[in-house]
Amino acid sequence: AQSVTQPDIHITVSEGASLELRCNYSYGATPYLFWYVQSPGQGLQLLLKYFSGDTLVQGIKGFEAEFKRSQSSFNLRKPSVHWSDAAEYFCVENGGSQGNLIFGKGTKLSVKP
Amino acid sequence: EAQVTQNPRYLITVTGKKLTVTCSQNMNHEYMSWYRQDPGLGLRQIYYSMNVEVTDKGDVPEGYKVSRKEKRNFPLILESPSPNQTSLYFCASSPTGVASPLHFGNGTRLTVT
Repeated sequence: AQSVTQPDIHITVSEGASLELRCNYSYGATPYLFWYVQSPGQGLQLLLKYFSGDTLVQGIKGFEAEFKRSQSSFNLRKPSVHWSDAAEYFCVENGGSQGNLIFGKGTKLSVKP
Repeated sequence: EAQVTQNPRYLITVTGKKLTVTCSQNMNHEYMSWYRQDPGLGLRQIYYSMNVEVTDKGDVPEGYKVSRKEKRNFPLILESPSPNQTSLYFCASSPTGVASPLHFGNGTRLTVT
């Protein structure tokens, strides 16, 4: 069965520090990949997506992610974290089925002042 | 305002009492889907619909039913709720499927006693 692995359940970074959230997907061919963010008590918002082409994708709020087929990874990065980035982040895969989405279990980000 | 509306926001019920959680979108989106969110498990897709009268199972469809009789509505039906269906439920829609950003509702917190 397809799966998305986010190895880090909880990460704490200082405001202004860089951030990398890890994600590994399982689909053998090139999947559709997404990162969504969920602020406390809210629904989810799309940060960025990858379908094909350039392996470095830019998203909203200064986030970017890099697709690496050799590592089956799609890690999310931000050069300088802001306190408002504290939230839960989900890596999501669509692996061939037209409407099926597989979510990772999420990484909760805390930001220290 | 473009939105996905779920009702109710909170629901407490008893085992075996049929219930329906409504979901409506005003954006003329073709794709709609339901998810449940449980601590430590992320979001898991229950059902999705690519268009009117077209529905498919997600990863955890057992114990749930859906219908898509009209484009804007996608109700989630629990014919005989059980305590293991206590969860936070999200409805989402997008213009054409998973390739488009999902718009999420604000969630329905269901407790089954």
